[in-house]
Amino acid sequence: EIVLTQSPGTLSLSLGERATLSCRASQSLSNRYLAWYQQKLGQAPRVIISGVSSRATGIPDRFSGSGFGTDFTLTISRLEPEDFAVYYCQQYENSPWTFGQGTKVEIK
Amino acid sequence: QLQLRESGPGLVKPSETLSLTCTVSGGSISSSNYYWAWIRQSPGKGLEWIGSIYYTGSTYYTPSLKPRVTISIDLSQNQFSLKLTSVTAADTAVYYCATSGSQHYLYYFDSWGQGPLVTVSS
Repeated sequence: EIVLTQSPGTLSLSLGERATLSCRASQSLSNRYLAWYQQKLGQAPRVIISGVSSRATGIPDRFSGSGFGTDFTLTISRLEPEDFAVYYCQQYENSPWTFGQGTKVEIK
Repeated sequence: QLQLRESGPGLVKPSETLSLTCTVSGGSISSSNYYWAWIRQSPGKGLEWIGSIYYTGSTYYTPSLKPRVTISIDLSQNQFSLKLTSVTAADTAVYYCATSGSQHYLYYFDSWGQGPLVTVSS
């Protein structure tokens, strides 16, 4: 099973700052089958990025994904109030599909 | 836009069977375009994919839960269901139903139910 390790666990930032979230896979995702989800308190996760870098419908362009092999990054260029949430990466390269443990982006 | 809604007991006794149903609206569960999935989220283990089913009835389970899990589909009711046997407190979690595309590059989860908390306790 592919293990995804996210860092940092918590990111404390101010409005307008840039957020950089990391996701490292235990095996190479050669097909780039990696997604990012945003989860707010009391809500289900929502996909924001698929295929490493493709934004889901309705996701603003301040969200971007990058990376290859085993190292992937979600970047939020300028934090808006609605961006403070927990973010998870998920691989769908090899079954069983697995998630990272999450990075919480909180207001500093 | 697909909408999914879970239903079932919020409290299950240890050693008993957890049963949940997901009702799909806004689309047909008989469509070849989707896989239908169950995912759970607990404080201890985070998000965990339990398994998926295709409209043909083909099922795919995560190995750690496979001995205890059954996912089934009811095309006539536009529903799919989860059964998890011999539950313990470690199975206490929020259980989501979700959907993904049917081609590999679409295997991420793009629609989710609201996710009820299921507690295992006597």
